[in-house]
Amino acid sequence: GQQLNQSPQSMFIQEGEDVSMNCTSSSIFNTWLWYKQDPGEGPVLLIALYKAGELTSNGRLTAQFGITRKDSFLNISASIPSDVGIYFCAGQLKSNTGKLIFGQGTTLQVKP
Amino acid sequence: DTAVSQTPKYLVTQMGNDKSIKCEQNLGHDTMYWYKQDSKKFLKIMFSYNNKELIINETVPNRFSPKSPDKAHLNLHINSLELGDSAVYFCASSSRLAGGDEQFFGPGTRLTVL
Repeated sequence: GQQLNQSPQSMFIQEGEDVSMNCTSSSIFNTWLWYKQDPGEGPVLLIALYKAGELTSNGRLTAQFGITRKDSFLNISASIPSDVGIYFCAGQLKSNTGKLIFGQGTTLQVKP
Repeated sequence: DTAVSQTPKYLVTQMGNDKSIKCEQNLGHDTMYWYKQDSKKFLKIMFSYNNKELIINETVPNRFSPKSPDKAHLNLHINSLELGDSAVYFCASSSRLAGGDEQFFGPGTRLTVL
């Protein structure tokens, strides 16, 4: 089946540092979404991207929909301890079909 | 005022048993989903219902039977539970009418089959 390659798999950073993670695919996606999952909770939507080249921010988070429509990245600036969690990219091959394909996740740990 | 809720939060049962997980959303969405998250945290869609009609069925064993009594509810019944069914199951919902692809997830049900 379709796969999204998300990297890095895990990151251990110092509080205050910036973080970057990305997802790539061999297929063209119409929608890219970024989620965060805290331990014992469900994924929470952070940012949704719908157009190639689109750059969207949500507080200290910024995500971009790649021009080729085969990739997306998420940046977190000035990380804080509560940024700890697993970040997932997710994409839809066709818009409004409901079928999200998830990346493998990036586990972020922040040292105070 | 929880948006997407699931019960139970934890479910521990013996192999061979039949169990159900319930999901409700109060967001007014028309589409609901079931996902399975394995021990490596990989999330995979299982089913999707739009207005009580099945629209996605991702080659899930027929021991898994979703049921949607109305737009706000999507339950998952599992027959003859197997060890490999142990996972966290997430319900989610979205509004296809609104044209958005954004899905909102419930808190998950951790199923352990002994």
